Amino acid sequence: GAVVSQHPSRVICKSGTSVKIECRSLDFQATTMFWYRQFPKQSLMLMATSNEGSKATYEQGVEKDKFLINHASLTLSTLTVTSAHPEDSSFYICSARTDRVNEKLFFGSGTQLSVL
Amino acid sequence: DAKTTQPTSMDCAEGRAANLPCNHSTISGNEYVYWYRQIHSQGPQYIIHGLKNNETNEMASLIITEDRKSSTLILPHATLRDTAVYYCIVRVGYNYGQNFVFGPGTRLSVLP
Repeated sequence: GAVVSQHPSRVICKSGTSVKIECRSLDFQATTMFWYRQFPKQSLMLMATSNEGSKATYEQGVEKDKFLINHASLTLSTLTVTSAHPEDSSFYICSARTDRVNEKLFFGSGTQLSVL
Repeated sequence: DAKTTQPTSMDCAEGRAANLPCNHSTISGNEYVYWYRQIHSQGPQYIIHGLKNNETNEMASLIITEDRKSSTLILPHATLRDTAVYYCIVRVGYNYGQNFVFGPGTRLSVLP
């Protein structure tokens, strides 16, 4: 199946710093990428939908100024957590969609963010 | 909100078939049933999906009832590595604007 690479897999940062997470589709062009966050023992919650070349669409309750999303190419989307605080500590997962009928969603391996 | 209901957890003996049920009584005619699983601290992994007919691949089989209101994912010979949370999702397959909504899923524990 298609491969989605997410980096870094784990990051620890101090409160107030910004963290950038990269999501790449390695062998296909992803016109749409999604960003999810997941708290321990909970399901995935969609944060935003990222379309190449346009502004991301954020879910209700997600601060767009705090979670900056850039989808500058068909193979790369980035999520920047600005001025991170301990409550932002979570597992962040990206996914990318192929542009075909019966399309599937492929996921990155996730990034565990810990804000001290 | 997720359009599916699944049992919270299930156990299965290693080597036996694991049958994971999913109810989707409000499914529309153009919605597919997708199954993903998530092993601890990893991103979800695609397993299988289908519309009406039963489907089989190298990982699993998907049995969809004739009225499409429920389905069952079958792992024919479960191994310890199949321990994971399994998510059943319904969505329109060709609707690029519709995202995948994850419910709580079923936590499958394969026991030695």
